[in-house]
Amino acid sequence: DADVTQTPRNRITKTGKRIMLECSQTKGHDRMYWYRQDPGLGLRLIYYSFDVKDINKGEISDGYSVSRQAQAKFSLSLESAIPNQTALYFCATSDSDITGELFFGEGSRLTVL
Amino acid sequence: DQQVKQNSPSLSVQEGRISILNCDYTNSMFDYFLWYKKYPAEGPTFLISISSIKDKNEDGRFTVFLNKSAKHLSLHIVPSQPGDSAVYFCAASANAGGTSYGKLTFGQGTILTVHP
Repeated sequence: DADVTQTPRNRITKTGKRIMLECSQTKGHDRMYWYRQDPGLGLRLIYYSFDVKDINKGEISDGYSVSRQAQAKFSLSLESAIPNQTALYFCATSDSDITGELFFGEGSRLTVL
Repeated sequence: DQQVKQNSPSLSVQEGRISILNCDYTNSMFDYFLWYKKYPAEGPTFLISISSIKDKNEDGRFTVFLNKSAKHLSLHIVPSQPGDSAVYFCAASANAGGTSYGKLTFGQGTILTVHP
């Protein structure tokens, strides 16, 4: 089983719908992240959390919200999806003692029509 | 404003030869650099990293070189193997104060194809 699990892996939805992407990890890491990948732009940070009580905005947080339900769970919500949120979304974790190394999930491909 | 740039979208190399992937950055606060490899339908996986206090780091077939004055880093793969075919992302972080671990700024990625 994967250490960082994302659900759903693929989702097609319509403009205006609320969508939640979920992430769970078994690595025991405190830090969790949501990144978005777009062609030609690499990965960009949406939100990050250093522990259950700590939530921070990343580079592109507008239109997104997150919830850290437990150390192992970090979900990303699109309250009202729009077509330019069509992208590949990655959840990642890191150990605070290791500089910068992230462990990624397999990704959630979201299409907003 | 793209603070980390990989100007070559793709690179094609013959098996056994050297692959050189390049990355440029503009933010002088970046002090830690990483390379990730990504296969289709998988998440990126960490490959190798380098701190700004070094100019070279080696791990088996993979070597990363950092030129701080030029704000340039490169990843060398020698010898290249067909299994190295993937998208390679460089990433950077500014870790002053110890609060930025994991807050990576990524380049656009370079697709490496190694031909048998």
